Amino acid sequence: KAGVTQTPRYLIKTRGQQVTLSCSPISGHRSVSWYQQTPGQGLQFLFEYFSETQRNKGNFPGRFSGRQFSNSRSEMNVSTLELGDSALYLCASSFRQGKSQETQYFGPGTRLLVL
Amino acid sequence: QKEVEQNSGPLSVPEGAIASLNCTYSDRGSQSFFWYRQYSGKSPELIMFIYSNGDKEDGRFTAQLNKASQYVSLLIRDSQPSDSATYLCAVNGRELIFGTGTRLQVFP
Repeated sequence: KAGVTQTPRYLIKTRGQQVTLSCSPISGHRSVSWYQQTPGQGLQFLFEYFSETQRNKGNFPGRFSGRQFSNSRSEMNVSTLELGDSALYLCASSFRQGKSQETQYFGPGTRLLVL
Repeated sequence: QKEVEQNSGPLSVPEGAIASLNCTYSDRGSQSFFWYRQYSGKSPELIMFIYSNGDKEDGRFTAQLNKASQYVSLLIRDSQPSDSATYLCAVNGRELIFGTGTRLQVFP
């Protein structure tokens, strides 16, 4: 079974631009979560989508948004990029049966550099 | 604020030794606990999960959970240089909350 895939793997943008990152979960997984990882803050939760609905959101500004499609693929968008948005953005998928937190499997990540 | 605490390390152990990685969490209602390994420049890779008090073994890895003490640990037996990585502890809540990780160095 193929793992979680993320595109693009690397991205360079300038301040003020916007960016869209894509994530395809493991086949059969319906939940997709997004995380930002920086050396100083570690892994920070952005949001979770399940069945095309945002189920949970972390403490990030409204510039960070996401969506999920009917095939469970997910995108996240960051508008008006700031230097501090430079990070590794990780997507993780899980089956998400019921309300229990299930094991999440991570994709390879998208490394974003904002200049 | 729900928190997961880990010693950042580095924890240095010789090849063949037992590496012991520790994690404490603040939310007494947490039900599920995960250990991920992350090599430099790579994404986290699941090693083990544990739900019940006690020990869970998988090959060279043993996860230990003590809910009364709000403490979870990971033991790596017969440590190898290839085990050198950052180990992330994660605890469930409404979302997975990660510790900042412990860097493990296994030297030959």
